[in-house]
Amino acid sequence: AQSVAQPEDQVNVAEGNPLTVKCTYSVSGNPYLFWYVQYPNRGLQFLLKYITGDNLVKGSYGFEAEFNKSQTSFHLKKPSALVSDSALYFCAVRVIAISGGYQKVTFGTGTKLQVIP
Amino acid sequence: DAGVTQSPTHLIKTRGQHVTLRCSPISGHKSVSWYQQVLGQGPQFIFQYYEKEERGRGNFPDRFSARQFPNYSSELNVNALLLGDSALYLCASSLIYEQYFGPGTRLTVT
Repeated sequence: AQSVAQPEDQVNVAEGNPLTVKCTYSVSGNPYLFWYVQYPNRGLQFLLKYITGDNLVKGSYGFEAEFNKSQTSFHLKKPSALVSDSALYFCAVRVIAISGGYQKVTFGTGTKLQVIP
Repeated sequence: DAGVTQSPTHLIKTRGQHVTLRCSPISGHKSVSWYQQVLGQGPQFIFQYYEKEERGRGNFPDRFSARQFPNYSSELNVNALLLGDSALYLCASSLIYEQYFGPGTRLTVT
């Protein structure tokens, strides 16, 4: 079984400060990892993904994430937070089934990011 | 290009009724997945369809069913609605890796 843990329900950060939103995962096999953002009463927006290669991946709106295989983590980071970054952030993991191309995606419970002016 | 579209936006149903939710994927995307998101939780996987065939199913009762049409649009059907089915239902389409989500349908069961 695969799982994703986001240990912080909420993260508060001052505008202009760096932010980190934590994510750890558990899968059998090599993971595909994703971060999504959700604004109130909206669907999820794709931010970035790790498939293979460089452990530091860059995404939309200045966000980046670091894949750490030994710690099974994929933390989301941004050097300087904006008030407009305040939203709900979800980490997700996907493992391709050996047959059929079935892509089961498991999401974490979400972390609410509050950027304080 | 248009993103993933879903209809209706909001829906209010009574316990025991049936509901059909619709989704149109991004042009060229052949895979559609459905998720249920209860307030305060992450999306829970319901179904995935690829090329009109069910490829995966989450831990949901048989009251939930879906299908994908030749134009890759999809419908999610829920029978015998329960109060606990109240949630945001999200549709996502994908080409290879990442999924692109629609705005969702907010279903309220009274």
